[in-house]
Parts: sequence; C-alpha cells; structure tokens
Amino acid sequence: SAVISQKPSRDICQRGTSLTIQCQVDSQVTMMFWYRQQPGQSLTLIATANQGSEATYESGFVIDKFPISRPNLTFSTLTVSNMSPEDSSIYLCSVDRSAQETQYFGPGTRLLVL
Amino acid sequence: DQQVKQNSPSLSVQEGRISILNCDYTNSMFDYFLWYKKYPAEGPTFLISISSIKDKNEDGRFTVFLNKSAKHLSLHIVPSQPGDSAVYFCAASTRGSQGNLIFGKGTKLSVKP
Repeated sequence: SAVISQKPSRDICQRGTSLTIQCQVDSQVTMMFWYRQQPGQSLTLIATANQGSEATYESGFVIDKFPISRPNLTFSTLTVSNMSPEDSSIYLCSVDRSAQETQYFGPGTRLLVL
Repeated sequence: DQQVKQNSPSLSVQEGRISILNCDYTNSMFDYFLWYKKYPAEGPTFLISISSIKDKNEDGRFTVFLNKSAKHLSLHIVPSQPGDSAVYFCAASTRGSQGNLIFGKGTKLSVKP
C-alpha cells in the first residue's frame, strides 16, 4: 500500500478566496489523481496530475478553477480558486501503483465555503 | 447519467451473517472493477478488485462476483463483523487501475452485534 497525507485536513473559507491542498506520498508514484466528493454524491475525478507537464482535466473541470502542480513523483497540489459555497466538498488525492492494480487514496480535505 | 449505480443506500446485517452489496453499471467498455470501504473522516480504503476477464475474485472474507452479461457485480462479506460497518463504494474503469475511476454513490453497511 501507499502512505498518503493531505494538508490541510479541513478548512472553512470565505467566498472568493483560494485554498491550496497538498498531497504527499511516501514513495515515488507514476500517476496521481485529484477527486472531489460533493455532499451526498459519489467521488468524481477532477484531473490527473502529470509530473513535468500540465494536468489532464476531466470534462467540467478547468485549469483556471483548479490549478494543479506536480513538481516531483511524490508531491502534488490542488488549488481551489475563487471559491463559492458550491465548492464545499471533500477533496481527495489518489495514487496508482500499477503493480498492485489499484488506486490508493489520501485521507481527504474537508472544505466548507461560507 | 450515472454509469455506476449502487441502488441500496443502506444495508443492515447481523454479525456472523453474510453481507451482499450490489452494483450495476451501464458502460460495456469497463474492464476493471474495484470495491472500496470508507470510514467517516477517512479516505476510501481499497478492498478488492476484479478484471473483466474473470467472474470471481476472493480475498479472505471478501468475494467479488462479476456478471458481465447483466452488467452487475456484487461484494460478499462472510462472516460479517461489526468492524465492517462503513460505506462501501463500487468503482469501475476502462483502463484498469490507471484510468478514471467512476464511482457509485455508496452503500452504508451496518453490522449489528
């Protein structure tokens, strides 16, 4: 398995501000992903964080709203920009270990936007 | 349009009995399926997976069954334990574990002593 940490674990933010969420893995991984779980909904992929190049965004998500960095093979950040109450969600990073054929998830960041 | 559906939002089972969690999907291109367990205030924890070339995969108390013709999979937990009480998510992918995982909304399992 992989040990994944996220910071912050939770935050309460004001409308119009931005929050950067960090994801740290205990070993190098090829693929890192960012998901969102809105209240009462399933997890939805926001983007794949690519090391050394721009992230690949899923339909409905754009770089201006959710800029992502991936400076190395163990770390990534997701920024939620110009937040509104609709951005209140749990944000989770995950990593892929192909040899183990699964994705492992971090503990999540619980965001409440007022 | 939900591609992965878990139609039972909750399930209650007596300790020691079998828990059966169900999942239906619509996309015939899915080739890999996973089950995750999630406790409150934690991220999803991987439980078990199955490739579309198989119809059964077993790991200890957990068995996943895949019925491709019915586009249906199920997770069996035998025997159920109170520590199994959690939300269970079914997920599917078109590119193995490296693809975008499409999740169901989850089923909350309660195992009563």
